[in-house]
Amino acid sequence: QKEVEQDPGPLSVPEGAIVSLNCTYSNSAFQYFMWYRQYSRKGPELLMYTYSSGNKEDGRFTAQVDKSSKYISLFIRDSQPSDSATYLCAMSARVNNNDMRFGAGTRLTVKP
Amino acid sequence: DAGITQSPRHKVTETGTPVTLRCHQTENHRYMYWYRQDPGHGLRLIHYSYGVKDTDKGEVSDGYSVSRSKTEDFLLTLESATSSQTSVYFCAISESAIGAFFGQGTRLTVV
Repeated sequence: QKEVEQDPGPLSVPEGAIVSLNCTYSNSAFQYFMWYRQYSRKGPELLMYTYSSGNKEDGRFTAQVDKSSKYISLFIRDSQPSDSATYLCAMSARVNNNDMRFGAGTRLTVKP
Repeated sequence: DAGITQSPRHKVTETGTPVTLRCHQTENHRYMYWYRQDPGHGLRLIHYSYGVKDTDKGEVSDGYSVSRSKTEDFLLTLESATSSQTSVYFCAISESAIGAFFGQGTRLTVV
């Protein structure tokens, strides 16, 4: 079993929809939770991160962590065609990232 | 891309040949990483460095070696390339922070 599981999709939604992306994990030592966005043929870019449980909001993006369920989510409100990308969840137990584990990524398409 | 340059961007090589990929940063970040990305596996850490001449193995280090003689450069070497090493390789940097900044990637094909 992988340490981090993420539904690869693909996920297709109309412009303006609310998107929900999710990951589950098995390692209870993880305490830093990240979401990366990766456009086609580009490197991943860090979107948001949270520490331990709780919510964090940044514009149209909200990250949620439920450590009791080992479940994290990323919500995108008012989705735009420019949000079309692959979204990767990642998590680590240490702040220096040498134990960072990634999900396989969910490919999202937002249709105009 | 946070001052990270990977070279080459694309490479095709033959099985059994040595290959070196280069990562150059202009951010003076302490930590540098090499990842590979394969369909269905996400990103997996190959090796990382926490300073000049200080390196350590990641989760998929077999068949790879690294060197860091200067803060700005981190080299990844495939000693004898195999078809299973066909992948997209990403370099990343960080400075004791959560998350990392990634380069544009190198597409390596071993034939």
